[in-house]
Amino acid sequence: AQSVAQPEDQVNVAEGNPLTVKCTYSVSGNPYLFWYVQYPNRGLQFLLKYITGDNLVKGSYGFEAEFNKSQTSFHLKKPSALVSDSALYFCAVKGGWGKLQFGAGTQVVVTP
Amino acid sequence: DGGITQSPKYLFRKEGQNVTLSCEQNLNHDAMYWYRQDPGQGLRLIYYSQIVNDFQKGDIAEGYSVSREKKESFPLTVTSAQKNPTAFYLCASRDLAGYTDTQYFGPGTRLTVL
Repeated sequence: AQSVAQPEDQVNVAEGNPLTVKCTYSVSGNPYLFWYVQYPNRGLQFLLKYITGDNLVKGSYGFEAEFNKSQTSFHLKKPSALVSDSALYFCAVKGGWGKLQFGAGTQVVVTP
Repeated sequence: DGGITQSPKYLFRKEGQNVTLSCEQNLNHDAMYWYRQDPGQGLRLIYYSQIVNDFQKGDIAEGYSVSREKKESFPLTVTSAQKNPTAFYLCASRDLAGYTDTQYFGPGTRLTVL
């Protein structure tokens, strides 16, 4: 069965510092991996995805993610965090029929 | 939130009532999905549909029902059999023809049982 894990419930970072949100996956075969962001009482917004190709994927709002097959990880990164990046971040893996299996989410808090 | 609308934004239900959550999309997407979100548990799949008049159960379908009579609409009914329905419900859609694999989400409906 496909699954992802987000080991941190919350990540705290000062504005201007690098931001990393961790995700590890467990799949059979090649993984299709996604990152979404959710602001309070809103739907999920797509940030980026890895299907195949370059291990460094660039997405929206200055975010990028690094796919590491040997470590089965797909960590989300941003070189310089903004207060407006404070939100709930979800990692997901695609399963059969296009279904997504989500991690529990990581709350990011960026302080001024 | 793109071209996916969900209504109402907030919904209150009394014990024993059925309620229906609306999901409409104007993206011409073939596939549609319903998820339930509870704090600390991520999103869990309730039902999904790849084509009109066809749908499949997800991981937590008990106490829910859906229909797919039109491509753009995928309403979810929360029945009285759902014992703990208070949650945030999210609808999503995906374009099968483009093979993009990306699901796009609506703004959600927050259901509270009184």
